[in-house]
Amino acid sequence: EVQLVESGGGLIQPGGSLRLSCAASGLTVSSNYMSWVRQAPGKGLECVSFIYSGDSTYYADSVQGRFTISRDISKNTLYLHMNSLRVEDTAVYYCARGVRDYDILTGYYYHFDYWGRGTLVTVSS
Amino acid sequence: DIQMTQSPSTLSASVGDRVTITCRASQSISRWLAWYQQKPGQAPKLLIYKASSLEGGVPSRFSGSGSGTEFTLTISSLQADDFATYYCQQYNRYWTFGQGTKVEI
Repeated sequence: EVQLVESGGGLIQPGGSLRLSCAASGLTVSSNYMSWVRQAPGKGLECVSFIYSGDSTYYADSVQGRFTISRDISKNTLYLHMNSLRVEDTAVYYCARGVRDYDILTGYYYHFDYWGRGTLVTVSS
Repeated sequence: DIQMTQSPSTLSASVGDRVTITCRASQSISRWLAWYQQKPGQAPKLLIYKASSLEGGVPSRFSGSGSGTEFTLTISSLQADDFATYYCQQYNRYWTFGQGTKVEI
């Protein structure tokens, strides 16, 4: 059974830094496509980061240059390093696994199947 | 960026009703669309991917259709467990979610 468990959230002042963790069981983080998706209170969903095979990465414009996604093979854990946090980064952060779909003409596309329960990050003074 | 617009934002329905939710993309996304169900305090759950493919373990009363810019999620006979918020997501170019449709009694 696949389980993703996020941790590391909490209350942080604007401008601060935080590292979120996503511990995986039932899947190998290093050989899967993984993402971080956030949901501000009462709002919709936003994919903020994605890590492909070969460690190429994607970041939403809203977090580009401030957030870094990484993974630790030995701990089978995905991370999101968050710097220069802003009030608008307040959200529940979910990790999710990416699943690759393939079209012979146009290539690869990724949707999300397994999700963790999330960890709340509150940025406030 | 590709924008996703869902309608309606809120839907009032009863058990046994046939329910349809629409999702519109700001440009063609072919069939690269997923639907998720989210209940309060829980993570989203994948229902449909590639516009019409049912995820394993999801009841057959859920179905998806569409391509290009217009998509629908249909629940053929609404059950008590289906009262939740539903999101569409394009994954043609990166990822964008719709704003959600809350299905309530």
